[in-house]
Amino acid sequence: GNSVTQMEGPVTLSEEAFLTINCTYTATGYPSLFWYVQYPGEGLQLLLKATKADDKGSNKGFEATYRKETTSFHLEKGSVQVSDSAVYFCALSDKTGNQFYFGTGTSLTVIP
Amino acid sequence: EAGVAQSPRYKIIEKRQSVAFWCNPISGHATLYWYQQILGQGPKLLIQFQNNGVVDDSQLPKDRFSAERLKGVDSTLKIQPAKLEDSAVYLCASSLVVTYNEQFFGPGTRLTVL
Repeated sequence: GNSVTQMEGPVTLSEEAFLTINCTYTATGYPSLFWYVQYPGEGLQLLLKATKADDKGSNKGFEATYRKETTSFHLEKGSVQVSDSAVYFCALSDKTGNQFYFGTGTSLTVIP
Repeated sequence: EAGVAQSPRYKIIEKRQSVAFWCNPISGHATLYWYQQILGQGPKLLIQFQNNGVVDDSQLPKDRFSAERLKGVDSTLKIQPAKLEDSAVYLCASSLVVTYNEQFFGPGTRLTVL
C-alpha cells in the first residue's frame, strides 16, 4: 500500500542554518508528492508540490525534488529564519487523487 | 476569498456522548475531505466527497462515525457514541478537483473525550 515515512523530530536549528527534513515514500504507480506546513495556531497549508519524477517544487526558499530512484522527497532550505518554526508534513496522493497519505510531521524550531 | 470554515473550534464531551462537526468549504470546491489528526501523528483521511457523493470512506469507523454532504456544499461529521480514543483534531479540507489538486484546510475542531 501507499505510505509516507518522515524524519522524526523535533528539530532545533539556529537562524541561517541549513535545513533538511527527510521524506521517503512507498507507492504503487506514480504518485504526486507534497509538503504541507502548519504554523502555530493555524491550519495546514500547502508549501510545495511535485507531480512527476525529477520535478522540483519550490516556495518561500524551500525546495524538494521528486526522486523516483530513491523514492524520496526531502525538504531543504539554505538559510532558515525564526518565522519558519512550524510543523512540516510530507504527503502523497495517488494518481487518481482519491488516496491522500500524510507523514507524522516534523516539528522545526528556529532560534535566533 | 474566504477559506474553509469549521465549527466549533473546541469541544469537550464525555465518553458515550454524541458530537457533530460542521464544515463549509471554499465556494466552488467540488471535493471535500474529513481528516482525523491524533496528537503527534499526521492527518488520517476519514472520508472524501465529490460533490455530494462519497468517493472514499474506507477508513471511516462506520459503527460510530457518519458524515454527509447535503447539496454538495456544507458537510457534517458525527460521532455517536464517542470513545476516549476519538480525542483528536478533526480537519476539513476542500479542493477544486480531485487529481493532484491542492487541498485547502480549515482550522480544525479539537475534540476532547473525557
